[in-house]
This record gives sequence, C-alpha cells and structure tokens, in this order.
Amino acid sequence: GEEVAQTPKHLVRGEGQKAKLYCAPIKGHSYVFWYQQVLKNEFKFLISFQNENVFDETGMPKERFSAKCLPNSPCSLEIQATKLEDSAVYFCASSQFRSYTDTQYFGPGTRLTVL
Amino acid sequence: AQTVTQSQPEMSVQEAETVTLSCTYDTSESDYYLFWYKQPPSRQMILVIRQEAYKQQNATENRFSVNFQKAAKSFSLKISDSQLGDAAMYFCAYRRGGSGGGADGLTFGKGTHLIIQP
Repeated sequence: GEEVAQTPKHLVRGEGQKAKLYCAPIKGHSYVFWYQQVLKNEFKFLISFQNENVFDETGMPKERFSAKCLPNSPCSLEIQATKLEDSAVYFCASSQFRSYTDTQYFGPGTRLTVL
Repeated sequence: AQTVTQSQPEMSVQEAETVTLSCTYDTSESDYYLFWYKQPPSRQMILVIRQEAYKQQNATENRFSVNFQKAAKSFSLKISDSQLGDAAMYFCAYRRGGSGGGADGLTFGKGTHLIIQP
C-alpha cells in the first residue's frame, strides 16, 4: 500500500497481560522501525529491521519486548507481561532501501493503555 | 551519542504571521540528515521538511523553510504566513548518514507545541 498501516488503533490490557501490535510497511520499503511515544510526547526508538533481519535493537527492553518482520506477513511488536509504564502510542515507520537518504514515513500509531 | 534539543516547549503566533522554531543538535558525525515532523492532535506524524548536512543550501517547502547552520549545529524551522492548520506539535529529528545510516532510528527532540492565534 501507499501508507504505513498499523493495527489495532487502540489496545487496552490489564497489567501482566500480553499485547501484540501489527504494522504493514509501504510496499517496496525494506526498512521498518518501531518507536514508542509516551504521554510526555517523548519518542524512544525501539528497533529497526532491514527486510526480516533485525538491524538495531538497542532501544528494546528485551526482557519483555520482542519484534518480528517475516516475509509476506505484517511486522509485529509484542509485549509480554505489560506494565503500567508501557502505556504509550507505538509508531511504526518504513523507508525505502535506495540510498542512505530516505525518509521514514510513519503509520497512524497504536495507543496502548495498560490498566 | 547524538542529542537533539528543542528549547521552546510552546510557541504562539498570530495567523498570517511568521514564526521560527528552534532546534540544536550534537553529533560527532559529519554526514547526517535533519528533519522536521509535524504531529497534529490526531497523532499522525507528517514530514514537513528535511535537510542533508552536506548541502549548504537551506531546504524550503512552500511556506516552510529551514535555517541550517552546520558549524553552530542549529536547524531552525520558519513557518511563513501561519495558518490555523499549522497548529500542532513540531519535532526536530536527526539521523546519521553513511553506510548503515539508512536503518538507524531517528533521534527526536522533545517537541514544540505551536499555537496559532486567529
């Protein structure tokens, strides 16, 4: 598609429950990124993929967060045993592998509320 | 590690006037890219303008232009003829260039809330 698609728009989980978010990048884009925007508006980079390969996961809290981008499937971000501080808007972005200049285009985000 | 600083949490401007949003950054890289993103209340992130560090000419996109001062590590956004639809959060962002930079995450500033007074 021509836009980054994210599902669901909203997700509510009780503390300790699992949350799974999905992202379909723009067709033809090889890079996928996940960001977390907390309520104070600050963005935190979580992880990037080049096709199905993890490129940079330095921002991921690995003990509870995991992510995948498998061929012919939406990318996913999964949070095991959610905590209150995981409440945030999670954005997926994609960019095209062509040169090093390509812009990241963002999806509409998934708002996760942990109660 | 690179940092991006937006020192103005909030700015207000009269409709049709001009406003400048500030952004400074710190990096040891010589090859990098800078971006301004707009985030309206819908939370959708919209690219406003981008600047390649190797280009001396300041980027412009219609009413939006930047003042890129590489030596000072400053990247301000000027919005001319402000419109009500420009009201939003504006984020300055940095990404390194070179091999591998394409898959780097963006480093964002904390944002500036722009209010347009009718």
